[in-house]
This record gives sequence, structure tokens and C-alpha cells, in this order.
Amino acid sequence: DGGITQSPKYLFRKEGQNVTLSCEQNLNHDAMYWYRQDPGQGLRLIYYSQIVNDFQKGDIAEGYSVSREKKESFPLTVTSAQKNPTAFYLCASMEGPGTEAFFGQGTRLTVV
Amino acid sequence: AQTVTQSQPEMSVQEAETVTLSCTYDTSESDYYLFWYKQPPSRQMILVIRQEAYKQQNATENRFSVNFQKAAKSFSLKISDSQLGDAAMYFCAYRSWNRDDKIIFGKGTRLHILP
Repeated sequence: DGGITQSPKYLFRKEGQNVTLSCEQNLNHDAMYWYRQDPGQGLRLIYYSQIVNDFQKGDIAEGYSVSREKKESFPLTVTSAQKNPTAFYLCASMEGPGTEAFFGQGTRLTVV
Repeated sequence: AQTVTQSQPEMSVQEAETVTLSCTYDTSESDYYLFWYKQPPSRQMILVIRQEAYKQQNATENRFSVNFQKAAKSFSLKISDSQLGDAAMYFCAYRSWNRDDKIIFGKGTRLHILP
């Protein structure tokens, strides 16, 4: 079955450590996105990529980094520079202009 | 920049009744797409309905329909015959027709279904 897989579902990180969230899709979509969800804030865009080896900052990119070495994969690294990393992170992909986003099941990151 | 506003943080409706969730947006573009997504307690985002701005006819998907008012930049979602499984966060979203675009989400409306 085609879809988007995020792992892990739950992630705990100590302050000062970097952590990488995985996002893999087998939908053959060019575009992939990372959103952060906080209570009362909706979904805010962190980074997005329209094509392999290219990506753009979203509205809240500070403290995050991404790579897009393969069409299927778009990992997100939460660095120690991110001041408030505890949140729910959603990865999405889209097929083309005007199409809807398909989402993974999300990763809940907690800093301890 | 485009914005999406959902003015109702929470709403409640009796089971089997009808409820309407509001959404307004701001854009200078003439061609775009609008979506409603549902996020149940599992937190999986599910597409409910989509509307192309160039279509005057309101989109409908079973018990879900929209009232798209392009001049007013309004895109409300009507849920008929509400069911317990409709309880969720609902997000209104906007996407430009441009290829190099992204989906912009509102802050969401939490819908409670009262038995």
C-alpha cells in the first residue's frame, strides 16, 4: 500500500541533543513538507522540498535542518538551537499543483 | 501572504444534527484550492473535502458539503446528520495554484458530538 511513514511515533530527547525524525513515502510524490503542530497553533510549516536536492525554509525554520537526497525520503533534524522543540511533527507529500496533501501519522517529540 | 482564519476554536453539536464550521481566508490570487481536513484523536490527518476556486459549484462528499463564497473569501464546512465519529479537530487549508506552493492551515476548530 502506498503511503507516508513517519518514525518513531514517540521520541524523547535530552536538552542539548540533536535528533532526527524520519519521513519516507512510496507515493512517487515530488513535493514533501514538514509541519509542526502545537495546541491552538494549527499546523506551521518548517521546511518543504519540491524536488530532490532542493528545499526551502518555511515559516518556523530556525533550529531545524533537512535534507532531500532521495525522492522518497525527507528527514528532519531538530537541533539543540531549537528553543522549544517539544511538539507534534507531521510530514506530508503532494503529487502536484492543486492536489491535496497526504500525511504521515506524526511523531511526538518530547524534550526531557 | 495568504492567511486562513478559523474563528471558532471549539464547537458542539447534538448527534444527528447539522453543524457549520467557519473559515475565511485572505489572498490576492484568483486561482487556488481550498481544503478541509479532519484530525481525529489518532492525530492522523484525513482529507474531508476540496474545492477549486474556479468552480462555482460547491463541493459535496456524502454528509459533508461546503459553502464557498469567493467574493467574500469564505469557505464553511457543513456536516449533516452528525455522528460520534465526526468528533475531531477540523482544519481549513489554502493552496495556491502555483507549483512552488505550500498548504497554509488555519488554527483549527475542535468539534464535539453530544450523544
